Amino acid sequence: DIQLTQSPSSLSASVGDRVTITCRASLNIRSYLNWYQQKPGEAPRLLVYAASNLESGVPSRFSGSGSGTDFSLAISSLQPEDFATYFCQHIYTSPASFTFGPGTKVEIK
Amino acid sequence: EVQLVESGGGLVQPGGSLRLSCAASGLTFSNYWMTWVRQAPGKGLEWVANIKEDGSDKYYANSVKGRFTISRDNAKKSLFLHMNSLRAEDTGVYYCARAKSGYSNSNVYYYAMDVWGLGTTVTVSS
Repeated sequence: DIQLTQSPSSLSASVGDRVTITCRASLNIRSYLNWYQQKPGEAPRLLVYAASNLESGVPSRFSGSGSGTDFSLAISSLQPEDFATYFCQHIYTSPASFTFGPGTKVEIK
Repeated sequence: EVQLVESGGGLVQPGGSLRLSCAASGLTFSNYWMTWVRQAPGKGLEWVANIKEDGSDKYYANSVKGRFTISRDNAKKSLFLHMNSLRAEDTGVYYCARAKSGYSNSNVYYYAMDVWGLGTTVTVSS
C-alpha cells in the first residue's frame, strides 16, 4: 500500500505569512494527489485536485505543486480563515485506494 | 444548491449493525461516483468505500472489507452504507461525499471529493 507522510504535523504562523505544507508518497503516484482543508466541527473542503488544479471558488492564494513522490501546498499570504488542518490524499484506481495523509494543523502564532 | 445530508448514525453495541443514508439534492446524482469517508474522534480522515455511478463497481478500505456494504438508489438520489459486525474502532463521524472525475487541461486524470455532507456520528460502545 502507498503511504503518505505530511510535514510538518503542525505549524504556527502569523497572518500574512507564506506557508508551505509538504506531502510525500512512498511510491510514485504521478499527479494523483488532492488537498483538503478542514476546520474544527466542519466537513473537509476540496482545495486542489490532480496536484496543481485549484478547485472552483478556492482563493488564488492557495496553490499546489509536485508530481511523483513529492508534493506541496502553499498559501501565499495566510488569512485568519486559513487556520485549519490540511490533508493530502492520493488516488489509485487499481487496486482502488484513496488514502489520506495524517494532516497538518496550521495554528495562529 | 448541491447538498448532501447524512442520517442514521447513533449508539450501537460492538457486533451490532447500522445503516447510514445520504440524501442528495441539487445534482444529477446518477452522474457521479459517491464515497463514504470517516473520521475517528480527534483523528484524521479515512476513506471507507466508494461506488460507481450505476452501482456496478464498489471499492472498500481493507479495514471494513467484508463488514460494510455500500449501495445506492439513483431514483431516490440516495447513498447507503450498511455496517455489520461493528467494532469500537468504527466509532467516528461518517461523511458522504460526491466524487468528481475526469481529465484536467493538461490531460491528467483526476478523482476528488468535491461536495461533502455535514456527517453523521456513529458510536460503537457497550
